[in-house]
Amino acid sequence: AQKITQTQPGMFVQEKEAVTLDCTYDTSDPSYGLFWYKQPSSGEMIFLIYQGSYDQQNATEGRYSLNFQKARKSANLVISASQLGDSAMYFCAMSIQFTGNQFYFGTGTSLTVIP
Amino acid sequence: NAGVTQTPKFQVLKTGQSMTLQCAQDMNHNSMYWYRQDPGMGLRLIYYSASEGTTDKGEVPNGYNVSRLNKREFSLRLESAAPSQTSVYFCASSEARGITYEQFFGPGTRLTVL
Repeated sequence: AQKITQTQPGMFVQEKEAVTLDCTYDTSDPSYGLFWYKQPSSGEMIFLIYQGSYDQQNATEGRYSLNFQKARKSANLVISASQLGDSAMYFCAMSIQFTGNQFYFGTGTSLTVIP
Repeated sequence: NAGVTQTPKFQVLKTGQSMTLQCAQDMNHNSMYWYRQDPGMGLRLIYYSASEGTTDKGEVPNGYNVSRLNKREFSLRLESAAPSQTSVYFCASSEARGITYEQFFGPGTRLTVL
């Protein structure tokens, strides 16, 4: 069975510091994609970053980078230079190529940025 | 482009009432999804439609029905609402990204069943 695990229910980070949000996944399929979404208090789901299972390099999108360790089945999100607007829920998700385009979500991490 | 739209944004029902949540996307995506989000549970898939004319159950389908009306629209129906169905409901559609698919989400519907 496919599974996403986020073990940090809540995290705090000082403004301007970097923070790492953990995500591990479990699948036996070789072809998959890993995603991070941000959900602010307003409720919408905002796409942040994507990593394909065959990508050789870690994905980066501005202040977001994905630390992809395939052997460990981890896909941690790194946010550099945290801002107050980064306070939100963060969800890790996985899409498997051969399962009808379904998404599997983790339970999320609540990040609070402290001024 | 409006992306994925959902109506209504908020709804309060009494136990036993029925209602339909509407979802539409203007991105010409084949696949559409309905999720529910409960505190501490992340998003759980209720039903999905891989293409027009097909629907399949997800992780938590009990108490719900869906209709893929056409390529743009995918509705979720609660025939007899129960307090356990109090949740935030998200509709999504998907597009290819890399070797798999990215999902685009609607703004959500906050449903309370009394």
